[in-house]
Amino acid sequence: AQSVTQPDIHITVSEGASLELRCNYSYGATPYLFWYVQSPGQGLQLLLKYFSGDTLVQGIKGFEAEFKRSQSSFNLRKPSVHWSDAAEYFCAVGTNFGNEKLTFGTGTRLTIIP
Amino acid sequence: IAGITQAPTSQILAAGRRMTLRCTQDMRHNAMYWYRQDLGLGLRLIHYSNTAGTTGKGEVPDGYSVSRANTDDFPLTLASAVPSQTSVYFCASSLGRPTDTQYFGPGTRLTVL
Repeated sequence: AQSVTQPDIHITVSEGASLELRCNYSYGATPYLFWYVQSPGQGLQLLLKYFSGDTLVQGIKGFEAEFKRSQSSFNLRKPSVHWSDAAEYFCAVGTNFGNEKLTFGTGTRLTIIP
Repeated sequence: IAGITQAPTSQILAAGRRMTLRCTQDMRHNAMYWYRQDLGLGLRLIHYSNTAGTTGKGEVPDGYSVSRANTDDFPLTLASAVPSQTSVYFCASSLGRPTDTQYFGPGTRLTVL
């Protein structure tokens, strides 16, 4: 079965600074990878996803992520964060094997300071 | 277009009571899912339905049941609630393929005393 690890529970970044949130997955074949964002008191919203093709994926709100097979990683990046980016971010991995469903990481909470 | 609605928004429930969380989608999605979100554990899949009339067990199905009588509705029932079922519950839906985006409802905060 697949698994996903988000090693950072909480990250604090200054507004305007760059951001990188880490995600590592475990799966034998090429996985399907997703980043979701959850604003306080809300449900989750998809930021971006990768399942084939170009390993650098562009998403909404200026986010991007790069799939690196050699490192089993799918890190999320943004060149300049805004106060509205404060939220919880979840990486998720899916597969095309059998009836496996999405597996979510434990999340990274992002705090933005002025 | 509402997307996914969940009811109630929040609920406090006595242990041993029966409770049904409601979920309705208007996107005609084939697949629907129930997750629970707990601090430090992320989202864990409780039950899912690939299409109307079928359901399957997720990672943490014990103590929960679901039904999928039609495309739009996917209720989650706790037959006899226990305090460990205190959580935030999210319903989601998708077209059903592994690469498809899941769309989430706003969640139900459930406290079992």
